[in-house]
Amino acid sequence: KAGVTQTPRYLIKTRGQQVTLSCSPISGHRSVSWYQQTPGQGLQFLFEYFSETQRNKGNFPGRFSGRQFSNSRSEMNVSTLELGDSALYLCASSGGLGKGSYNEQFFGPGTRLTVL
Amino acid sequence: SQKIEQNSEALNIQEGKTATLTCNYTNYSPAYLQWYRQDPGRGPVFLLLIRENEKEKRKERLKVTFDTTLKQSLFHITASQPADSATYLCALDQGGKLIFGQGTELSVKP
Repeated sequence: KAGVTQTPRYLIKTRGQQVTLSCSPISGHRSVSWYQQTPGQGLQFLFEYFSETQRNKGNFPGRFSGRQFSNSRSEMNVSTLELGDSALYLCASSGGLGKGSYNEQFFGPGTRLTVL
Repeated sequence: SQKIEQNSEALNIQEGKTATLTCNYTNYSPAYLQWYRQDPGRGPVFLLLIRENEKEKRKERLKVTFDTTLKQSLFHITASQPADSATYLCALDQGGKLIFGQGTELSVKP
């Protein structure tokens, strides 16, 4: 089975711009979660989608949003980029029906976003 | 306030020894706790999941314990090898969200 894929792998944007990141989960997985990883804050939960519905949300401002399509692929969007949004954005999929944290998470390689 | 703390310092051990990593938490009541391994430039890789009613879980050279009274999980790697060198992250369930610790960097010297 192919693993979780994320595109693009690297992205450079300037403050004020917006960005869309894409994630394709493992075939058959219906849960997709997004995380932000920075040296200072570590790995932080952004949100989880299951069957096209947001099932859980972390403590991030409304500039961070996401969606999931009927084929389970997911996108996350960050609007009005700030310098502090520079981070590694990781997507993870899981195959269980329970909430994301109840199951093994399969992570993608991440998208490295740099905001100048 | 809620906190998850892992060994604050990097852990350096000799090949063949047992590595023990600690994950302490306060003001959480997780039903599940997971351990992941992360190599530089890569996403975390799942290692083990333990439920609140389980005291211990094993997988090959790995062992995890979960003490809900002490609010602590211990992660052991026996007969450690240089290939085990990586950052290890504990993550606990909080209402369906996975909350991660900062990680412990393990270095196994030959």
